Amino acid sequence: AQSVTQLGSHVSVSEGALVLLRCNYSSSVPPYLFWYVQYPNQGLQLLLKYTTGATLVKGINGFEAEFKKSETSFHLTKPSAHMSDAAEYFCAVSDLSWGKLQFGAGTQVVVTP
Amino acid sequence: DARVTQTPRHKVTEMGQEVTMRCQPILGHNTVFWYRQTMMQGLELLAYFRNRAPLDDSGMPKDRFSAEMPDATLATLKIQPSEPRDSAVYFCASGLAPTSGLYNEQFFGPGTRLTVL
Repeated sequence: AQSVTQLGSHVSVSEGALVLLRCNYSSSVPPYLFWYVQYPNQGLQLLLKYTTGATLVKGINGFEAEFKKSETSFHLTKPSAHMSDAAEYFCAVSDLSWGKLQFGAGTQVVVTP
Repeated sequence: DARVTQTPRHKVTEMGQEVTMRCQPILGHNTVFWYRQTMMQGLELLAYFRNRAPLDDSGMPKDRFSAEMPDATLATLKIQPSEPRDSAVYFCASGLAPTSGLYNEQFFGPGTRLTVL
Protein backbone atom coordinates (compact mmCIF):
# COMPACT_ATOMS: atom_id res chain seq x y z
CA ALA A 1 0.00 0.00 0.00
CA GLN A 2 1.12 3.51 -0.69
CA SER A 3 0.31 6.81 0.92
CA VAL A 4 1.39 10.42 0.80
CA THR A 5 1.42 13.05 3.53
CA GLN A 6 1.76 16.70 2.70
CA LEU A 7 2.65 18.87 5.66
CA GLY A 8 0.67 22.08 5.70
CA SER A 9 -2.55 22.56 3.82
CA HIS A 10 -1.81 26.26 3.29
CA VAL A 11 1.49 28.02 2.79
CA SER A 12 1.94 31.76 2.43
CA VAL A 13 5.15 33.09 0.93
CA SER A 14 6.34 36.52 -0.04
CA GLU A 15 7.18 37.23 -3.64
CA GLY A 16 10.87 36.49 -4.12
CA ALA A 17 11.09 34.21 -1.09
CA LEU A 18 11.86 30.52 -1.02
CA VAL A 19 8.98 28.15 -1.63
CA LEU A 20 9.22 24.87 0.31
CA LEU A 21 6.44 22.30 0.18
CA ARG A 22 6.89 19.13 2.19
CA CYS A 23 5.90 15.64 1.11
CA ASN A 24 6.51 12.32 2.82
CA TYR A 25 5.49 9.00 1.39
CA SER A 26 5.20 5.39 2.32
CA SER A 27 5.55 2.63 -0.20
CA SER A 28 6.26 -1.08 -0.06
CA VAL A 29 8.01 -0.95 -3.44
CA PRO A 30 10.43 1.55 -4.94
CA PRO A 31 8.26 4.57 -5.47
CA TYR A 32 7.68 6.82 -8.38
CA LEU A 33 7.06 10.31 -7.06
CA PHE A 34 5.38 13.31 -8.60
CA TRP A 35 4.44 16.89 -7.98
CA TYR A 36 1.42 18.29 -9.75
CA VAL A 37 0.11 21.85 -9.79
CA GLN A 38 -3.52 22.86 -10.11
CA TYR A 39 -4.50 26.39 -11.00
CA PRO A 40 -8.04 27.55 -10.20
CA ASN A 41 -10.70 25.81 -12.26
CA GLN A 42 -8.15 23.79 -14.18
CA GLY A 43 -6.90 20.23 -14.30
CA LEU A 44 -3.64 19.04 -12.86
CA GLN A 45 -0.34 19.69 -14.59
CA LEU A 46 2.82 17.74 -13.96
CA LEU A 47 5.61 19.83 -12.44
CA LEU A 48 8.22 17.11 -12.11
CA LYS A 49 8.69 13.44 -11.42
CA TYR A 50 11.20 11.07 -9.91
CA THR A 51 11.41 7.57 -11.34
CA THR A 52 15.01 6.40 -11.18
CA GLY A 53 18.47 7.90 -11.36
CA ALA A 54 19.39 11.33 -10.09
CA THR A 55 17.65 12.12 -6.85
CA LEU A 56 17.47 15.85 -7.51
CA VAL A 57 14.95 16.46 -10.24
CA LYS A 58 14.18 19.69 -11.98
CA GLY A 59 10.80 20.57 -13.32
CA ILE A 60 8.98 23.33 -15.04
CA ASN A 61 8.66 26.91 -13.81
CA GLY A 62 11.89 26.74 -11.79
CA PHE A 63 10.73 24.05 -9.36
CA GLU A 64 12.87 21.19 -8.18
CA ALA A 65 12.52 18.33 -5.73
CA GLU A 66 14.89 15.93 -4.03
CA PHE A 67 14.14 12.28 -3.39
CA LYS A 68 15.53 11.21 -0.02
CA LYS A 69 14.96 7.53 0.52
CA SER A 70 16.28 7.52 4.09
CA GLU A 71 13.77 10.20 5.03
CA THR A 72 11.00 8.94 2.73
CA SER A 73 10.62 12.49 1.53
CA PHE A 74 10.19 14.34 -1.74
CA HIS A 75 10.06 18.02 -0.86
CA LEU A 76 9.40 20.62 -3.54
CA THR A 77 11.33 23.88 -3.65
CA LYS A 78 11.64 27.01 -5.71
CA PRO A 79 14.27 29.63 -4.82
CA SER A 80 12.17 32.67 -5.61
CA ALA A 81 8.38 32.76 -5.60
CA HIS A 82 6.44 34.56 -8.29
CA MET A 83 2.87 35.71 -8.07
CA SER A 84 2.04 33.20 -10.79
CA ASP A 85 3.04 30.36 -8.44
CA ALA A 86 -0.17 30.82 -6.47
CA ALA A 87 -1.95 27.50 -6.91
CA GLU A 88 -2.57 24.19 -5.22
CA TYR A 89 0.23 21.64 -5.27
CA PHE A 90 -0.18 17.91 -4.98
CA CYS A 91 2.42 15.30 -4.20
CA ALA A 92 1.68 11.82 -5.55
CA VAL A 93 3.18 8.35 -5.46
CA SER A 94 2.82 5.47 -7.86
CA ASP A 95 4.21 2.04 -8.42
CA LEU A 96 5.29 1.06 -11.89
CA SER A 97 3.05 -1.91 -12.35
CA TRP A 98 -0.21 -0.03 -11.98
CA GLY A 99 0.57 3.50 -12.96
CA LYS A 100 -2.24 4.83 -10.82
CA LEU A 101 -1.49 7.79 -8.60
CA GLN A 102 -2.06 8.12 -4.86
CA PHE A 103 -2.33 11.82 -4.09
CA GLY A 104 -1.63 13.79 -0.98
CA ALA A 105 -4.20 16.20 0.38
CA GLY A 106 -2.65 19.16 -1.39
CA THR A 107 -1.01 22.40 -0.27
CA GLN A 108 -2.51 25.73 -1.23
CA VAL A 109 0.20 28.30 -1.93
CA VAL A 110 -0.53 32.00 -1.55
CA VAL A 111 2.06 34.49 -2.77
CA THR A 112 1.98 37.94 -1.21
CA PRO A 113 3.55 41.05 -2.76
CA ASP B 1 -1.79 20.29 -29.39
CA ALA B 2 -3.01 17.00 -27.93
CA ARG B 3 -5.05 17.20 -24.77
CA VAL B 4 -7.68 15.33 -22.81
CA THR B 5 -11.14 16.76 -23.27
CA GLN B 6 -14.07 16.39 -20.91
CA THR B 7 -17.72 17.23 -21.35
CA PRO B 8 -19.66 18.83 -19.89
CA ARG B 9 -17.44 21.24 -17.98
CA HIS B 10 -20.23 22.05 -15.58
CA LYS B 11 -23.37 20.12 -14.68
CA VAL B 12 -26.10 21.02 -12.23
CA THR B 13 -28.74 18.41 -11.66
CA GLU B 14 -31.31 17.34 -9.14
CA MET B 15 -31.01 14.41 -6.82
CA GLY B 16 -32.15 11.20 -8.44
CA GLN B 17 -31.26 12.21 -11.98
CA GLU B 18 -28.82 10.32 -14.15
CA VAL B 19 -25.54 12.05 -14.91
CA THR B 20 -23.17 11.08 -17.70
CA MET B 21 -19.69 12.54 -17.97
CA ARG B 22 -17.54 11.99 -21.04
CA CYS B 23 -13.84 11.97 -21.63
CA GLN B 24 -11.85 11.86 -24.83
CA PRO B 25 -8.33 10.63 -24.07
CA ILE B 26 -5.33 11.75 -26.05
CA LEU B 27 -5.12 9.79 -29.29
CA GLY B 28 -2.89 6.75 -28.86
CA HIS B 29 -3.09 6.62 -25.09
CA ASN B 30 -4.15 3.21 -23.81
CA THR B 31 -4.75 4.04 -20.15
CA VAL B 32 -7.61 6.09 -18.77
CA PHE B 33 -8.22 7.11 -15.17
CA TRP B 34 -11.23 8.70 -13.49
CA TYR B 35 -10.56 10.77 -10.37
CA ARG B 36 -12.90 12.66 -8.08
CA GLN B 37 -11.88 15.77 -6.18
CA THR B 38 -13.75 17.05 -3.14
CA MET B 39 -12.80 19.38 -0.33
CA MET B 40 -13.23 16.64 2.23
CA GLN B 41 -11.58 13.68 0.48
CA GLY B 42 -9.16 15.37 -1.87
CA LEU B 43 -8.29 13.50 -5.07
CA GLU B 44 -9.51 9.92 -5.19
CA LEU B 45 -9.08 7.36 -7.93
CA LEU B 46 -12.45 5.98 -8.98
CA ALA B 47 -11.60 3.71 -11.90
CA TYR B 48 -8.77 2.75 -14.17
CA PHE B 49 -8.85 1.29 -17.69
CA ARG B 50 -6.13 -0.17 -19.80
CA ASN B 51 -6.79 -1.00 -23.45
CA ARG B 52 -10.47 -0.30 -22.70
CA ALA B 53 -10.67 -3.01 -20.05
CA PRO B 54 -11.42 -2.00 -16.46
CA LEU B 55 -8.46 -2.90 -14.25
CA ASP B 56 -9.45 -1.32 -10.99
CA ASP B 57 -12.74 0.26 -10.00
CA SER B 58 -12.45 -0.37 -6.29
CA GLY B 59 -12.75 3.34 -5.56
CA MET B 60 -16.14 3.60 -7.18
CA PRO B 61 -19.48 3.12 -5.40
CA LYS B 62 -20.80 0.18 -7.38
CA ASP B 63 -24.45 0.67 -6.65
CA ARG B 64 -24.74 3.96 -8.47
CA PHE B 65 -21.57 4.55 -10.46
CA SER B 66 -20.49 2.87 -13.66
CA ALA B 67 -17.54 3.51 -15.95
CA GLU B 68 -17.09 2.26 -19.49
CA MET B 69 -14.99 2.72 -22.58
CA PRO B 70 -17.24 2.11 -25.58
CA ASP B 71 -14.26 2.67 -27.83
CA ALA B 72 -10.67 3.86 -27.59
CA THR B 73 -11.67 7.49 -28.04
CA LEU B 74 -14.39 7.71 -25.42
CA ALA B 75 -14.63 6.99 -21.72
CA THR B 76 -17.85 7.56 -19.78
CA LEU B 77 -18.67 7.84 -16.11
CA LYS B 78 -22.32 7.53 -15.15
CA ILE B 79 -24.06 8.16 -11.88
CA GLN B 80 -27.59 6.84 -11.48
CA PRO B 81 -29.27 7.95 -9.34
CA SER B 82 -27.22 10.97 -8.37
CA GLU B 83 -27.07 12.23 -4.78
CA PRO B 84 -25.92 15.54 -3.27
CA ARG B 85 -22.81 13.83 -1.85
CA ASP B 86 -21.70 13.15 -5.44
CA SER B 87 -21.09 16.86 -5.92
CA ALA B 88 -17.43 17.13 -6.85
CA VAL B 89 -15.05 17.78 -9.71
CA TYR B 90 -14.48 14.66 -11.79
CA PHE B 91 -11.20 14.44 -13.67
CA CYS B 92 -10.25 12.14 -16.46
CA ALA B 93 -6.59 11.45 -17.20
CA SER B 94 -4.94 9.45 -19.94
CA GLY B 95 -1.50 8.08 -20.60
CA LEU B 96 0.52 5.21 -21.95
CA ALA B 97 0.82 2.16 -19.75
CA PRO B 98 4.24 1.86 -18.08
CA THR B 99 6.63 -0.24 -20.14
CA SER B 100 10.28 -1.23 -19.99
CA GLY B 101 10.77 0.28 -16.58
CA LEU B 102 9.73 3.70 -17.74
CA TYR B 103 6.84 5.62 -16.29
CA ASN B 104 4.73 7.67 -18.63
CA GLU B 105 2.99 10.83 -17.56
CA GLN B 106 -0.73 11.01 -17.01
CA PHE B 107 -2.36 13.97 -18.70
CA PHE B 108 -5.36 15.42 -16.96
CA GLY B 109 -8.45 16.91 -18.51
CA PRO B 110 -9.99 20.14 -17.22
CA GLY B 111 -12.61 18.31 -15.19
CA THR B 112 -16.40 18.23 -14.93
CA ARG B 113 -17.78 20.19 -12.01
CA LEU B 114 -20.91 18.38 -10.85
CA THR B 115 -23.45 19.88 -8.50
CA VAL B 116 -26.31 17.71 -7.32
CA LEU B 117 -29.09 19.65 -5.62
